[in-house]
Amino acid sequence: NAGVMQNPRHLVRRRGQEARLRCSPMKGHSHVYWYRQLPEEGLKFMVYLQKENIIDESGMPKERFSAEFPKEGPSILRIQQVVRGDSAAYFCASSPTQYGDTQYFGPGTRLTVL
Amino acid sequence: GEDVEQSLFLSVREGDSSVINCTYTDSSSTYLYWYKQEPGAGLQLLTYIFSNMDMKQDQRLTVLLNKKDKHLSLRIADTQTGDSAIYFCAESPDNYGQNFVFGPGTRLSVLP
Repeated sequence: NAGVMQNPRHLVRRRGQEARLRCSPMKGHSHVYWYRQLPEEGLKFMVYLQKENIIDESGMPKERFSAEFPKEGPSILRIQQVVRGDSAAYFCASSPTQYGDTQYFGPGTRLTVL
Repeated sequence: GEDVEQSLFLSVREGDSSVINCTYTDSSSTYLYWYKQEPGAGLQLLTYIFSNMDMKQDQRLTVLLNKKDKHLSLRIADTQTGDSAIYFCAESPDNYGQNFVFGPGTRLSVLP
C-alpha cells in the first residue's frame, strides 16, 4: 500500500505565478489535511477536507489560497499570484478517520518563490 | 495563543540515550504527540500520550509528561544512527487533526 504521495517535491515559481500542489492520499483514506511549515517554524494547519467537501479551512489565508479534494483524483492546494512569503514546505496528511492519531504524512512539497 | 517550543538541535553519541524536550502553553491540551521526520520523507507518528498519563513506554521510547509544568519529553534509549531525524512535538485539545499545534522540530544528530 503506497504511502501518501505529494508532487511535485520541489516547485519554483516567480512572484505572481500560480502554484498547484498535489496530494494523493493513501488508498481508502477519505480525509486530507494540509499543513504549511515556514522556515524555522512548526507545521501549521491550513485546511481539512473530505471527498468533495471542505470541512475546516480556518488555517488558510483568506485570499489567493484554495483547496479541493474531488471525488476522483488527488487533493489540490492552489496558490494564486504567489509572493515570496509563500515560500515554505507544504505537507499533506491523509487519514481513514477524522482522528489525529491516524494521520499519515506525505513527504512535502517545497515551494520556492523567486 | 497556543505555542509549542522545542530546542532546535541535539547531538548524542551512538548507544547513549537521547532526551528531546518540549514545552506547550495550552492548558487544555489533551493529546500530546511525537512525530519523526527522516530526510526526504513525511512525518511519521511515533507515539502519543493522553494528558491524564504521566508516562508511556514503547520499546526504546519513553514519553514523560509533566502536566503542571506543561513539559513533555521523549527519551530514546540506545540511540542508533538510524534515529537521526527531526522530531516534532504536537499538542491538541482533542484528537482531531486540524487542531494540532506543532513545535518547530528538534534535529537529532547521532554521532558514531
